[in-house]
Amino acid sequence: NAGVTQTPKFQVLKTGQSMTLQCAQDMNHEYMSWYRQDPGMGLRLIHYSVGAGITDQGEVPNGYNVSRSTTEDFPLRLLSAAPSQTSVYFCASSDGPRGTEAFFGQGTRLTVV
Amino acid sequence: AQSVTQLGSHVSVSEGALVLLRCNYSSSVPPYLFWYVQYPNQGLQLLLKYTTGATLVKGINGFEAEFKKSETSFHLTKPSAHMSDAAEYFCAVSEGGSNYKLTFGKGTLLTVNP
Repeated sequence: NAGVTQTPKFQVLKTGQSMTLQCAQDMNHEYMSWYRQDPGMGLRLIHYSVGAGITDQGEVPNGYNVSRSTTEDFPLRLLSAAPSQTSVYFCASSDGPRGTEAFFGQGTRLTVV
Repeated sequence: AQSVTQLGSHVSVSEGALVLLRCNYSSSVPPYLFWYVQYPNQGLQLLLKYTTGATLVKGINGFEAEFKKSETSFHLTKPSAHMSDAAEYFCAVSEGGSNYKLTFGKGTLLTVNP
């Protein structure tokens, strides 16, 4: 049971570099989302998708891009990394709208220096 | 917009004592409410959820929560704390409409002392 798989688990970037955080789920879920977790802030929604080809912004989308070409994959792209993007990133998936359990990946710890 | 307030960023209890983690929400539509647990260096795991029906919801590991509409609360309880309950706990509300978005509280770190 793989569930939601995130890669890499750890990453250090220099300011201005770009990178893609990978997220894949094997549960055929339509709904996928990205959150960032910062101390004392809880989890904040970055972007989400309700199906292949459909994405939308969450609470803190600036500096991030997403695309959803397949049901399984939902990568998060940092275009030009900044120290303010140092955080732990979580991908989640769900098979339904509100009221359905979200399944989370193990997280990617990103440090931007 | 939906919002969640968790009272107390850190709660410390003795092993065997009652666990009470507080959560209040605001919502313009009937809320769907969740409690998630996060163990160190792991992702979030669902403890329990309230959608409709019975207001007292039982979850995994002996936890339960009661939805009180009049108080806009969804507090999490466990009668007897165990060392393995030490973790961070997040209350969340699901936003309205057909899209699935969760709004989280800031979390409560539970410490269990021997």
